[in-house]
Parts: sequence; C-alpha cells; structure tokens
Amino acid sequence: SQTIHQWPATLVQPVGSPLSLECTVEGTSNPNLYWYRQAAGRGLQLLFYSVGIGQISSEVPQNLSASRPQDRQFILSSKKLLLSDSGFYLCAWSPRERGTDTQYFGPGTRLTVL
Amino acid sequence: AQSVTQLGSHVSVSEGALVLLRCNYSSSVPPYLFWYVQYPNQGLQLLLKYTTGATLVKGINGFEAEFKKSETSFHLSKPSAHMSDAAEYFCAVSDKGSSNTGKLIFGQGTTLQVKP
Repeated sequence: SQTIHQWPATLVQPVGSPLSLECTVEGTSNPNLYWYRQAAGRGLQLLFYSVGIGQISSEVPQNLSASRPQDRQFILSSKKLLLSDSGFYLCAWSPRERGTDTQYFGPGTRLTVL
Repeated sequence: AQSVTQLGSHVSVSEGALVLLRCNYSSSVPPYLFWYVQYPNQGLQLLLKYTTGATLVKGINGFEAEFKKSETSFHLSKPSAHMSDAAEYFCAVSDKGSSNTGKLIFGQGTTLQVKP
C-alpha cells in the first residue's frame, strides 16, 4: 500500500530564516505531487504541483519554491520566511494515469513564523 | 473552468440528527467529484468519490453523496450524526482541463459542529 510522509510535523521559525519541508511517497511510482497551504480560517491553496522529476508548476507568486529531486520526493523551500508564510502545509500525491484524480494527503506540517 | 461552491461555512447539528452538507459545482466536462474530511491538525482523508456509474455513492463512516447532474450538485449526507463527525469537510471537482496533472478544485470547506 501507498504511504505519504511529511516532516517535520511542527516548526517554529523566525522571520527571515530559511525553510525546507520534505514530503516522500512510498509504494507507488511516477506520482503527481502537490503542495498546499492552509492559512488560519481559510481553505486550501494549491502552491505547486509536479508531474515528474524536475518538473514544477507554480500556482501563485510567492516567497516559496519547490523542487522534486527524486521521483517520490517533493521539497518546499524558502530563502527568507515572512510572517505571512505561517500556516499548515499539506503534501499530496495522485496516480499519474488518467481517470484517477484522487489525491491522497500527508499528515501536514504546522509552520509558525515569529 | 471548473469551480466548487460549498453552501454554508459552518453547520451545526445535534447528535443523532441528519447531516447535510451542500456542494454545487461547475464543469464543462463530465466531472469527477470528491468529498474529503479533515480533523484538527491532520491531513485530508477521502470520504467518497464519484467518477461514473451509480449516482449515489457510499463512503466511509456512514456518509453518502448523490450526484445530480441536472442540479450540478453533490451534497453529502449522513442519517445520524456522531460526536466524532465534528470536522471540516471539503468538496472537490477534478480539473480535467489540465490534461494529466490530476489537479483538484476545492471548495472553501464546511465546518461541522455536533452538539450533544
């Protein structure tokens, strides 16, 4: 069966510090991968998605970047965090083949920027 | 372009009462539709999905949803609410205009409160 991991689970960082959140998927190959953010009291915002190694699409302009160095690894980064980067970050994957758009979510990372 | 509207950001029911969470979608192609549940500080969990075939879809935890093409709706229901059903619920439609990206368009979510 497939599993998705995210770490760390919680993170408190000062403004201006760098960020690296990691997501890995087990038990599948060639997944589509996604990063979402949930700000307090708001819905899901798709930040990035990837359909293959090195292929990253950004949905909204922001202070963050994403990379996919390996097939089942997805990394969310920032060089300098802003207060507005606080939120709950979710990674998700979906099967690559058409007709199976179901996304499966990781447990999330709670980021607080002070 | 596809879109999703969830009617009511907060819904409150008594334990044992009917749960009905409303979702309307807009799609230019036959949609795939989903309901997810999120408990506090956790990721989203798939409750059920509609792709093709039977329009009444049964999911986990006693929930079901009915696809009504004429009403462009995919409302989620459960006959009798449990305290453990208190969570946030998201409706989503597949973004089929984006080739093979698997992207979903999510509604803004509905918080379900269950009162004892």
